[in-house]
Amino acid sequence: KAGVTQTPRYLIKTRGQQVTLSCSPISGHRSVSWYQQTPGQGLQFLFEYFSETQRNKGNFPGRFSGRQFSNSRSEMNVSTLELGDSALYLCASSLAAGQGYEQYFGPGTRLTVT
Amino acid sequence: DAKTTQPNSMESNEEEPVHLPCNHSTISGTDYIHWYRQLPSQGPEYVIHGLTSNVNNRMASLAIAEDRKSSTLILHRATLRDAAVYYCILREGNQGGKLIFGQGTELSVKP
Repeated sequence: KAGVTQTPRYLIKTRGQQVTLSCSPISGHRSVSWYQQTPGQGLQFLFEYFSETQRNKGNFPGRFSGRQFSNSRSEMNVSTLELGDSALYLCASSLAAGQGYEQYFGPGTRLTVT
Repeated sequence: DAKTTQPNSMESNEEEPVHLPCNHSTISGTDYIHWYRQLPSQGPEYVIHGLTSNVNNRMASLAIAEDRKSSTLILHRATLRDAAVYYCILREGNQGGKLIFGQGTELSVKP
């Protein structure tokens, strides 16, 4: 079974621009979560989607948004990019939402904002 | 959010067992204990999880204290590929799929 895939793997953007990152979950998985990883803050939860509905949201500004499609694929968008948005963005999928389900992570998208 | 406490770093010798401790004294009765690890330059990887009983899988064992206030991840024979940051995470029932990562324990394995 193919793992979680994320595109693109690397991205360089300029301050003020917007960016869209894509995540394809493992086949059959219906829940997708997004995380941001930076050297200073570590791994932080962004949001979680299940059956096209956002179930959970972390403490990030409204510039960070996401959605999930009927095939469980997900996208996240960051508008008006700031230098501090430079990070590794990780997507994880699980069979369903809930505390008993393990999450499988993709390799991440490395975003650099200049 | 439920909190966990782990040592910042640990060292192990190759082919020896490793016991990674985690304290979670504020755990509630419905919180699951999950362990993930992150190898250098990779996304986190699921290791194991449990609720009350000890658990075993092909990667590791999870020993949960009787009062559930602490747990130990056991790698039975450490290899160089096990060098990673290990995260102990409590997953609360009302938080759905949210994973709250702490600082984790950086495990180094010496040949």
